[in-house]
Amino acid sequence: AQSVSQHNHHVILSEAASLELGCNYSYGGTVNLFWYVQYPGQHLQLLLKYFSGDPLVKGIKGFEAEFIKSKFSFNLRKPSVQWSDTAEYFCAVLPSGGYNKLIFGAGTRLAVHP
Amino acid sequence: SAVISQKPSRDICQRGTSLTIQCQVDSQVTMMFWYRQQPGQSLTLIATANQGSEATYESGFVIDKFPISRPNLTFSTLTVSNMSPEDSSIYLCSVEDRGETQYFGPGTRLLVL
Repeated sequence: AQSVSQHNHHVILSEAASLELGCNYSYGGTVNLFWYVQYPGQHLQLLLKYFSGDPLVKGIKGFEAEFIKSKFSFNLRKPSVQWSDTAEYFCAVLPSGGYNKLIFGAGTRLAVHP
Repeated sequence: SAVISQKPSRDICQRGTSLTIQCQVDSQVTMMFWYRQQPGQSLTLIATANQGSEATYESGFVIDKFPISRPNLTFSTLTVSNMSPEDSSIYLCSVEDRGETQYFGPGTRLLVL
């Protein structure tokens, strides 16, 4: 069955630290890839997405993600986090021919301390 | 992206009762979906709400428990029927734009006592 794995369930960082959240998926075909973010008390928002082309995609608020096809990975990065980045981050995969079925990872809770 | 609203934003219900959640979009969309996010867990797709036909349910979800309506291209409802405490979750609707990207509503927090 298709699945999405996020390696870290909880991450705690200090401000200005660098961030990398792992995401791996299991599907051999073409995929569209997404990172969503849920800030405390807010609804799920799209952070960035990859469909094709340059495997390094940039999103809002200084986030970027790199698609490595050979590793089935789509890791999220940010060089310097801020307290306002405290949120839960979800990786999601849309397999081609998947009838629009978006498959989510379990999420990673990020806490950034001032 | 489309602006999505849900009603109610939260509710506390007694077991055995039913709750209908509404999802309204500010523009016409072809694809609408309903998800469940159980406490501490990720999002799970319940069903795709099809306009003019029956919803398409995912494995583990049935129409008798989660009836869905989609009367037009901007509105859908999800009913959680005969509720039990295990139904306590956040229920979210989402819509897909023409670029195969889904956008989510604010969710409905349901607590069943």
